[in-house]
Amino acid sequence: GQQLNQSPQSMFIQEGEDVSMNCTSSSIFNTWLWYKQDPGEGPVLLIALYKAGELTSNGRLTAQFGITRKDSFLNISASIPSDVGIYFCAGTPYNNNDMRFGAGTRLTVKP
Amino acid sequence: NAGVMQNPRHLVRRRGQEARLRCSPMKGHSHVYWYRQLPEEGLKFMVYLQKENIIDESGMPKERFSAEFPKEGPSILRIQQVVRGDSAAYFCASSPSGARGYTFGSGTRLTVV
Repeated sequence: GQQLNQSPQSMFIQEGEDVSMNCTSSSIFNTWLWYKQDPGEGPVLLIALYKAGELTSNGRLTAQFGITRKDSFLNISASIPSDVGIYFCAGTPYNNNDMRFGAGTRLTVKP
Repeated sequence: NAGVMQNPRHLVRRRGQEARLRCSPMKGHSHVYWYRQLPEEGLKFMVYLQKENIIDESGMPKERFSAEFPKEGPSILRIQQVVRGDSAAYFCASSPSGARGYTFGSGTRLTVV
């Protein structure tokens, strides 16, 4: 199936710093979503994007659906220790309803 | 309004036994998806089902694995004759339609000893 390339794989940042991660695809996607997974839990939806060019915020998080429909980014501003976790991008390809996931970005925030 | 319910949370099986993982979707959700996550890795799509139908099973191993979503009751992911390599977290997600409202359960952690 269609693959999503998510980068970076991991990030080690200081509390208060801003974070940016992105996801790209070789094919067009209809939907982009960003999830966070805490240890031992299932992924929780952070932001959902449904239109090319859409820019959406959720508190300190901002995500955008790329104009080409082949990429998306997630920014976290002023990181705090509870931002620690794995962030996954996900999307539904143009021609089906299956959700595809990136490999995840593991975020560590140092106090 | 209960979320996606998966049980059991933890399952231990000996090699060669069968594992049955259950997923009850959110009320009103007729689409169910199963994923496998190995330690330190991402989510790998296994199978997508709608009520009584398998829509896409391209991510599911051809042997020993099967999934169903009957008209009544939860979706079941069944692994026969488990091997150590089947040890992983298995997550279920449900949605009313496509990507909107796509919600995950807390997963079942399968350990094969």
